[in-house]
Amino acid sequence: AQSVAQPEDQVNVAEGNPLTVKCTYSVSGNPYLFWYVQYPNRGLQFLLKYITGDNLVKGSYGFEAEFNKSQTSFHLKKPSALVSDSALYFCAVWQGGKLIFGQGTELSVKP
Amino acid sequence: DVKVTQSSRYLVKRTGEKVFLECVQDMDHENMFWYRQDPGLGLRLIYFSYDVKMKEKGDIPEGYSVSREKKERFSLILESASTNQTSMYLCASSLYRVAEQYFGPGTRLTVT
Repeated sequence: AQSVAQPEDQVNVAEGNPLTVKCTYSVSGNPYLFWYVQYPNRGLQFLLKYITGDNLVKGSYGFEAEFNKSQTSFHLKKPSALVSDSALYFCAVWQGGKLIFGQGTELSVKP
Repeated sequence: DVKVTQSSRYLVKRTGEKVFLECVQDMDHENMFWYRQDPGLGLRLIYFSYDVKMKEKGDIPEGYSVSREKKERFSLILESASTNQTSMYLCASSLYRVAEQYFGPGTRLTVT
């Protein structure tokens, strides 16, 4: 079974609207979860992580993510999208001594 | 801020050549990683290192080797480049094993 899945290859949002990028995971025990963003021709930048504690995690650039154990999800959210948020987003889970990445979701925010 | 640098942004090599990709981090991180990124496949771990002179195979080590002689430097070696190794290569480092990783800008390698 896939350890981490991003069910949407692409998400389109209008500027100013809320955005959600979905991620589900499948690991045993307590998951360690991460979100990264990749702008064109750049490396990945860390956005936020969930290790333990509050289910709502706040990160960089106004992003947040909600850990939901019953639904095994860790969706990335932002209340009001910006055109500059357009990028490739990766969810990752720590398993077997390494980070396993999802295949990525392309977020496009139109003016 | 952590800085991870990679020796080249773009590289073009011929089939059969030996290729060296260099990665340097400036934050005294113990852990370093090499990934390749291909469209639709996300990032796949090639090799990683938790200490100097130590290396571990990742998910796709075939055709690659690594070297870590100094803490700050982690090199990826393609012993005999092949066209299926055309990809984006990303280096990363982290302070702890279970921690956020910091990535370099990537090297886009084309093997012709």
